[in-house]
Amino acid sequence: EVQLVESGGGLVQPGGSLRLSCAASGFTFSDHYMDWVRQAPGKGLEWVGRTRNKANSYTTEYAASVKGRFTISRDDSKNSLYLQMNSLKTEDTAVYYCARVYDSSGYYYDYWGQGTLVTVSS
Amino acid sequence: DIQMTQSPSTLSASVGDRVTITCRASQSISSWLAWYQQKPGKAPKLLIYKASSLESGVPSRFSGSGSGTEFTLTISSLQPDDFATYYCQQYNSYSTFGPGTKVDIK
Repeated sequence: EVQLVESGGGLVQPGGSLRLSCAASGFTFSDHYMDWVRQAPGKGLEWVGRTRNKANSYTTEYAASVKGRFTISRDDSKNSLYLQMNSLKTEDTAVYYCARVYDSSGYYYDYWGQGTLVTVSS
Repeated sequence: DIQMTQSPSTLSASVGDRVTITCRASQSISSWLAWYQQKPGKAPKLLIYKASSLESGVPSRFSGSGSGTEFTLTISSLQPDDFATYYCQQYNSYSTFGPGTKVDIK
C-alpha cells in the first residue's frame, strides 16, 4: 500500500525557517518525481515545487512565490522527501502536502500525504 | 504561466442531479488535465487524468471531457458522498490548479 506521511509542521515566526519531511512507503520511491503542494486555510491548492528522480538528475523546479526561499531535496536511501523553508512569510501559512507524480506519461498526483500544517505568525 | 479558471465557484444540487463543472486553461494544454475531489480536512483524491481517463476505483458516474483549453467534469447522478470541492489541475507545464468548485446540498 502506498503511503506518504508528512511531518515537521508547526508555528514559526516571520523570517524563520522550518523543514518538512515526507516519508514514503509501498512503492519504488526512487523512480518517481515528487511534488509539494500547499493549501492556505480556506483556500485552493497551490503547487510549491518538484524534485525529479535520479534518472533526471534530481533537478528541481519551484513556484515563483517560493523560489529562492524554499529548497526541495530527497534521500532515496531513506525513501524521504524534504522541504526546507527559509525566510518564511505570513502568506506561507498553509497545509503542506507531499504528492507522488504518477510518471512521465502524466504529471498528475495519484497519491497524497495527509498534510502538515505550517503557521507563520508572530 | 498557465492560468486555470473554474465555473461555477459554488454549485447547489440535490441527490440524483446531473452536475457539470467547467475548467478553462489560459492556453492549450492538450489533454494534460486532471480532476480531484477534496473533502474538508482531507487530502485531494484523484478522479480523472488525461482529461477523460477514470482513475481506478472511482465510480463510473464521474466522467471527464475536453481538450485544448476547455474541459468538463460531469457527475451523472449526484450521490451523498459527492458533496465536496472539485479542483482541476493542468500538467502540461509544471502544475497549476483551478480555484475549485464547491458542490453543496440544495
